[in-house]
Amino acid sequence: EAEVAQSPRYKITEKSQAVAFWCDPISGHATLYWYRQILGQGPELLVQFQDESVVDDSQLPKDRFSAERLKGVDSTLKIQPAELGDSAMYLCASRGQTTGRVELFFGEGSRLTVL
Amino acid sequence: DQQVKQNSPSLSVQEGRISILNCDYTNSMFDYFLWYKKYPAEGPTFLISISSIKDKNEDGRFTVFLNKSAKHLSLHIVPSQPGDSAVYFCAASGLGGTSYGKLTFGQGTILTVHP
Repeated sequence: EAEVAQSPRYKITEKSQAVAFWCDPISGHATLYWYRQILGQGPELLVQFQDESVVDDSQLPKDRFSAERLKGVDSTLKIQPAELGDSAMYLCASRGQTTGRVELFFGEGSRLTVL
Repeated sequence: DQQVKQNSPSLSVQEGRISILNCDYTNSMFDYFLWYKKYPAEGPTFLISISSIKDKNEDGRFTVFLNKSAKHLSLHIVPSQPGDSAVYFCAASGLGGTSYGKLTFGQGTILTVHP
């Protein structure tokens, strides 16, 4: 079964350091999302890509976060510098093009702990 | 402003009985609703969805009910099994324009099914 791949699964870093997360969506899925889930809350959208273009990054803290999907396939989310409040699960998801259905398929996530 | 709300942080049910998880939303532009299940340290897994043109959708032990006038949906699990113990997220999306496929999640409900 096709899956969304994410790495690393776990990352521990000190504040002010740089971190990066990688995502490879399900093959053929043009739409890719990065969500952040803080413990005890639901996932919140950070950025949405359609192919290599950013569709929505209104909730991305652009002073420290950046995201790219250069060839319209895999994607990288970067945080520099990391802050204590960035500790969370970072989830990547992708969606196919079936009209009228909006199911997103999520990867296993990258758990970030900032010390 | 929380547009999707799951007011019950947790629910405890005996194996074999019915589990009912509830979700309310405020945005009348939402046209598509989904339930996701999440185990610790894993990404959310799609469970079942419903379009706003329907009031019920059933898939095996899982049934989702939608009451558009009340802006309320519920997930019924019958019979409940210990393996159903997880966090359940309600999510909503519009089907038009830039809102298509952009999921807004509730805070989640922790379901515990006791043997």
